Amino acid sequence: GAVVSQHPSWVICKSGTSVKIECRSLDFQATTMFWYRQFPKQSLMLMATSNEGSKATYEQGVEKDKFLINHASLTLSTLTVTSAHPEDSSFYICSAREHRGPPNYGYTFGSGTRLTVV
Amino acid sequence: AQSVSQHNHHVILSEAASLELGCNYSYGGTVNLFWYVQYPGQHLQLLLKYFSGDPLVKGIKGFEAEFIKSKFSFNLRKPSVQWSDTAEYFCAVIPGGATNKLIFGTGTLLAVQP
Repeated sequence: GAVVSQHPSWVICKSGTSVKIECRSLDFQATTMFWYRQFPKQSLMLMATSNEGSKATYEQGVEKDKFLINHASLTLSTLTVTSAHPEDSSFYICSAREHRGPPNYGYTFGSGTRLTVV
Repeated sequence: AQSVSQHNHHVILSEAASLELGCNYSYGGTVNLFWYVQYPGQHLQLLLKYFSGDPLVKGIKGFEAEFIKSKFSFNLRKPSVQWSDTAEYFCAVIPGGATNKLIFGTGTLLAVQP
């Protein structure tokens, strides 16, 4: 089945530095990828929709200059948390939508990245 | 605001008990509906999905869900739970229209006692 690889799975960084998270679709092409953030004991909150070859679409309240998204190929999207602060500490999850039309398109999730900013 | 609601935040059951987790959404028009499960330390996995047709959907591991359009609901059920069903369960909706965004509910943590 479809597999999405997310890397790294866990990262600690110092406040003020930037961190890049990669999301790769391993055996399918993903024209659209999604980035979510999950706070402890809360649901997944959609941050942005990443479209291959174009700018990402950010959800209301998400700072696009802080969370830079690049979707340079059909199998790779990256999320860069710039000038990270402790409040950015969270669990970040990517999801890729297979390049199939409705009604049977599927969403496959990465294993997530635990970011801790100290 | 439009949303996906899961009213049960934490459910504790004994093995062999029946399970029903509620999910309601507030989006109008055509919607696509999903249930995902997240086992401890693992990533989200799809349990089942509904796009159209028979409103009673059967998924993996003995789970099923019923879409009731008039109630804006998509409740998840399992006749007899096992200890291995201990996990967090998320209902998710793709609202109608051009969007393909998956909107998640707040999740329900299920603990099954042996």
